[in-house]
This record gives sequence, C-alpha cells and structure tokens, in this order.
Amino acid sequence: DTAVSQTPKYLVTQMGNDKSIKCEQNLGHDTMYWYKQDSKKFLKIMFSYNNKELIINETVPNRFSPKSPDKAHLNLHINSLELGDSAVYFCASSQDGQGADYGYTFGSGTRLTVV
Amino acid sequence: SQQGEEDPQALSIQEGENATMNCSYKTSINNLQWYRQNSGRGLVHLILIRSNEREKHSGRLRVTLDTSKKSSSLLITASRAADTASYFCATVRSGGYQKVTFGTGTKLQVIP
Repeated sequence: DTAVSQTPKYLVTQMGNDKSIKCEQNLGHDTMYWYKQDSKKFLKIMFSYNNKELIINETVPNRFSPKSPDKAHLNLHINSLELGDSAVYFCASSQDGQGADYGYTFGSGTRLTVV
Repeated sequence: SQQGEEDPQALSIQEGENATMNCSYKTSINNLQWYRQNSGRGLVHLILIRSNEREKHSGRLRVTLDTSKKSSSLLITASRAADTASYFCATVRSGGYQKVTFGTGTKLQVIP
C-alpha cells in the first residue's frame, strides 16, 4: 500500500520531447506538491495544489504544467524538454496546507534524464 | 537564498557510534523538520520540532533547537548500517506566507 506513488521511476528522453509524470496519493491529504532535486541534492519546490487548486507556483518555466484532476492526483507535464531539466522529481503530499505542522509524505521519485 | 544549511556535508562513522548533524538557518521559523533519504528513494519524515521546543526524542533520534543561534542538531545514537542515508533539515518560516525550505543534506555512512 504505497502512500504516494509516482510513475515512471525512470524516464530517459531526447531534447525537445514532451513527457508526463503521474502522481497519486491514498492518504486523503488535501495538498500535493512537486519538488525538483538537482545533482547536488538540493530540493526546490515547484508547485503546490490544495484540493485541486494551485496555491504555489515557484519560478518554474512555463514548459512545466501541473494538472490535478482530483485531490488524490497531481500530474506534471513537461514540454520541449531541455538538458537542464535532468533531475529527480518528487511528488509529495501533506495533511496540512504547507506541510508545516505534520511534514510531507514523499513518493520515491522519478529520475528524468534528457539526452 | 537557501534557508537550511547542514553541516557536515558528509559523515562516516563506525556502527555503534553516535552521529551528530547540524542545521543552521537564517530567518525566524515556525518549526523545523528532519528527513531521511535513502539512496534512490524519497524523503521520509523523521521528526518535527516547534519553535517553542528545545528538545525532542523519537527512538534513537534526538533533536535540539536553539532559536537564539538559529540552529538545530540531529543526534542518532548507537548507529546502525541501516542508518546510512542523507539527512535533510527543512524549515518553515514564521509569519506571512509559510513555506517549507530544504537544505542540501548531510550524507551519513555507517560502516558495519
């Protein structure tokens, strides 16, 4: 019973392609997130959705578009992939609005490699 | 700029020893959280300490918080090989728009 599951686990694609990463949580949390972890392990928030509504949109290129069909799902679509997009992308969810009181539950990550 | 900075960046100890990791931050916080990340996996929430708390325990973990020095430490006692992982602190700023910000982590290796 994986709490936060994301697919695929690995994604290798060529520059210029469009790809999607899917995320689902079965915890009943209202808030979901996408984080990007770079090669130096730095985690940076990209987006946050609360009950299907976008509440955080950090300075992310508009090639990245999140979509939340319902509060249990938050997908990430990336257009025109660039080499610099190579990273590990983590989906997470939290019981409270910002993960501030109870912390986050993370998925196991999607390692994206753009060649 | 990055809120949490962990120190040291890497730590190697023998099984059974204690491991101490430190986190420093720059602005006032509401709380501070510690996470563990095993290689190739997502982060796992370990412990949360609020700004009005000074110390918290969870099993072999002990976390302290010194808001006057803007620093926190994570102590893992009687370390095991399974504790080998990266450990991250995450700070939640106080006031206004709360946002959780992660540091770059301490990579801990416990040698059997």
